[in-house]
Amino acid sequence: GQSLEQPSEVTAVEGAIVQINCTYQTSGFYGLSWYQQHDGGAPTFLSYNALDGLEETGRFSSFLSRSDSYGYLLLQELQMKDSASYFCAVRGFRDSARQLTFGSGTQLTVLP
Amino acid sequence: DGGITQSPKYLFRKEGQNVTLSCEQNLNHDAMYWYRQDPGQGLRLIYYSQIVNDFQKGDIAEGYSVSREKKESFPLTVTSAQKNPTAFYLCASSLGQGTNEKLFFGSGTQLSVL
Repeated sequence: GQSLEQPSEVTAVEGAIVQINCTYQTSGFYGLSWYQQHDGGAPTFLSYNALDGLEETGRFSSFLSRSDSYGYLLLQELQMKDSASYFCAVRGFRDSARQLTFGSGTQLTVLP
Repeated sequence: DGGITQSPKYLFRKEGQNVTLSCEQNLNHDAMYWYRQDPGQGLRLIYYSQIVNDFQKGDIAEGYSVSREKKESFPLTVTSAQKNPTAFYLCASSLGQGTNEKLFFGSGTQLSVL
């Protein structure tokens, strides 16, 4: 089956850097994605890694190590608006289809 | 503007009642999905559809039903067989079930039991 683990909560101050880790187990691997969700809102796509290494998009970066079944989301220059839940999601092969499984989410609180 | 529209935003169900959640997209996406989210939890897949007139069960399909008669629409019915329906329901779409597509989500429907 597929499973993911990520910390349930992370707290940091404005302007700081925070890293949210994600480890996964999957049958077949097609990529690791990250989504952001504000309270009561829709998840929005942040990044996708299919190959090892770092992908940078503005203040956000995402890293993947396929050999370690591990990835992380790095948020720099934290702003108050970054307070949200962050979900990692892995696409693996299950039931004859490439299915996306989400982690339970990490609640990030940014303090002034 | 292109996007995914879910309605209603809030829905209340009485015991023994079936209710239907609407999901419409104008992104011309082939694949559509329904997820359930419980407080403080991740998203769990209920049903997904890769093309019109075809759909597959996800991890928690029991007590739910769907149809995909049009590319734009993927309604979810929560039947009376679903004994714990209170949750936040999210509809999503993507270009296709490729390996690197991203999901676009609607704003969700909060379903509660009276």
